[in-house]
This record gives sequence, C-alpha cells and structure tokens, in this order.
Amino acid sequence: SSELTQDPAVSVALGQTVRITCQGDSLRSYYASWYQQKPGQAPRLVIDGKNNRPSGIPDRFSGSSSGNTASLTITGAQAEDEADYYCNSRDSSGSYLGVVFGGGTKLTVL
Amino acid sequence: EVQLVESGGGLVQPGGSLRLSCAASGFTFSNYWMNWVRQAPGKGLEWVANIKKDGSEKYYVASVRGRFAISRDNAKNSLYLQMNSLTADDTAVYYCAREGVVVAATTFDIWGQGTMVTVSS
Repeated sequence: SSELTQDPAVSVALGQTVRITCQGDSLRSYYASWYQQKPGQAPRLVIDGKNNRPSGIPDRFSGSSSGNTASLTITGAQAEDEADYYCNSRDSSGSYLGVVFGGGTKLTVL
Repeated sequence: EVQLVESGGGLVQPGGSLRLSCAASGFTFSNYWMNWVRQAPGKGLEWVANIKKDGSEKYYVASVRGRFAISRDNAKNSLYLQMNSLTADDTAVYYCAREGVVVAATTFDIWGQGTMVTVSS
C-alpha cells in the first residue's frame, strides 16, 4: 500500500505564512485533499483534491502540488488555525481503491 | 442540513463484535461512495473501509480485512460497519465520511461526529 509523509510538527508566528507538506508516490497519480482537526472535534475538509476551498473556509488557506508533493499554505496564520492537519489521497496500488492518510502535522501558532 | 450521525460504539471485550451505524440526511445518499475512518487515542487518522454507491464494491485496509464488513442500505440512508474479532488495536473513534465527487481524488467532504469503540477486558 502507499504511504503519505508529513512533518509531525510545524510552528508559525501569528500573521505569518506557513506551508505544510505531504509526500508520497500516490500523489504522482492522484490529488491530495487536506483536513483540519481541532481537539475533540471531527476532521473538517479545508482543501479538496482540486485545491478548492469548501464554503466557509477562509481564503488564507490554499493548496498546490508538484510531483510527489502536495502543500497546504496558510497565508497570514491566525490563532484559530492552530490544529492538526492531515492529507489524504487514493492508494494507488493496482485496482485496489483504498485510501491513505498522512500521519498528520500539528500546527502551532506562536 | 447535510449530516452524518454515527452510533453503536461502546465497550466490548477482546474477541467480541460490534456493529456501527451511520445515518445520513440532507443529501442523496445513494449518489456517494461512503467511508469509515478511525482514530486511535492520541493518534492520526486511519482509513478503514469504503463502499461504492450501490454497494457493489468494497475495500478495506489490510489490518481489518476479513474481520470487518462495510455495508449500506440506500433505502434507509444508512451505512454500517460490522466489526468482529476485535482487539485492543481497534480501540478508536470511528467516523463515517462522505466521499465527494472530485476526479482523481478522495475528498471526504462531510464527516460525522464519531463514535468511540473501546476494546478491553
């Protein structure tokens, strides 16, 4: 099965820009989606596979990809953006239509 | 309002069984692939299983294959996860999630609030 690798933790100063990355072979064939999860809450989609933001997600969140790496960028991070962020994509092993998640990145806003 | 509501979690002994349910509302359930995702205490998200719109295709993560069974009843707008031969490693919050229609991507656009499963003697 495929794997997606994320940095375990990233920090950013309030108002600054931060990029969270997700690496994996499956990203050469499939798009990544991004989720935000705050303590005690269910995950929430912030960027879909086409790098679009669902309704209600601030425009400071954006997504991009290149080769085997997908990125989530927060431009002008706010205190409320402190959370765990996960990427996912299709598991690209043959005809198996499974799904794989990255290990998650804990974002701290300083 | 588009909503997913899980139920059926609880405490179960090792080797036991449990059936989770997920009630969908606010959208045409039969138009979407559906998924189960779990999160062990203090750990990350782990995809568990998915099922095609009409139930004709099902896929599982290797660690649950042969023990868990995903199913759906489109007439009842409901998703299920039958879990057998449970071990401590299955202890987690279990979420159901709708897979949005994004080509070449697995976008989980709607999530339930989760139901806790604890496997312990």
